[in-house]
Amino acid sequence: KAGVTQTPRYLIKTRGQQVTLSCSPISGHRSVSWYQQTPGQGLQFLFEYFSETQRNKGNFPGRFSGRQFSNSRSEMNVSTLELGDSALYLCASSLGGGPFTDTQYFGPGTRLTVL
Amino acid sequence: KNEVEQSPQNLTAQEGEFITINCSYSVGISALHWLQQHPGGGIVSLFMLSSGKKKHGRLIATINIQEKHSSLHITASHPRDSAVYICAAPISGGGADGLTFGKGTHLIIQP
Repeated sequence: KAGVTQTPRYLIKTRGQQVTLSCSPISGHRSVSWYQQTPGQGLQFLFEYFSETQRNKGNFPGRFSGRQFSNSRSEMNVSTLELGDSALYLCASSLGGGPFTDTQYFGPGTRLTVL
Repeated sequence: KNEVEQSPQNLTAQEGEFITINCSYSVGISALHWLQQHPGGGIVSLFMLSSGKKKHGRLIATINIQEKHSSLHITASHPRDSAVYICAAPISGGGADGLTFGKGTHLIIQP
């Protein structure tokens, strides 16, 4: 089975722009979670989607949003980029229980640099 | 104060040594994750456990729900075990629901 894939792997944007990241889960997995990793804050949970609905949400501003499609693929959008949004963005999929109850399978991440 | 605390932050050991990494958390939880991250960023889930002990190869994870504490042990450590080990717990609060992560333990195993 193919693993979790994320596109693009690297991205450079400037302040004020917006960006969309994509995540394709493992086949059969219906839960997709998004995480941000920075040297200062470490790993932080952004949100989780299940059956096209946001089921859990972390403590991030509204500039961070996401959605999930009927095939379980998910996108994450960050609007009005700030320098502090530079980070590795990881998605993870699981069968259905989400990060509270299921093993998370991580993608390779998208490294976003904001100039 | 982070609700999930790990110790030690950094650990250097010799090949073959028995390694212990500790994780404590502040509130009751249903399960706890142990993750491994190699240089380059890839994260692998090692264990998810809600009670007792789990073993996979040379890795052992234990959890004591009452004491709010979990440990990850590596037996017969090897240089390829060098990585960052992160524990994570599902903690709700402040309008947020999701995994809260420890800061990670940077482990280096020298040959």
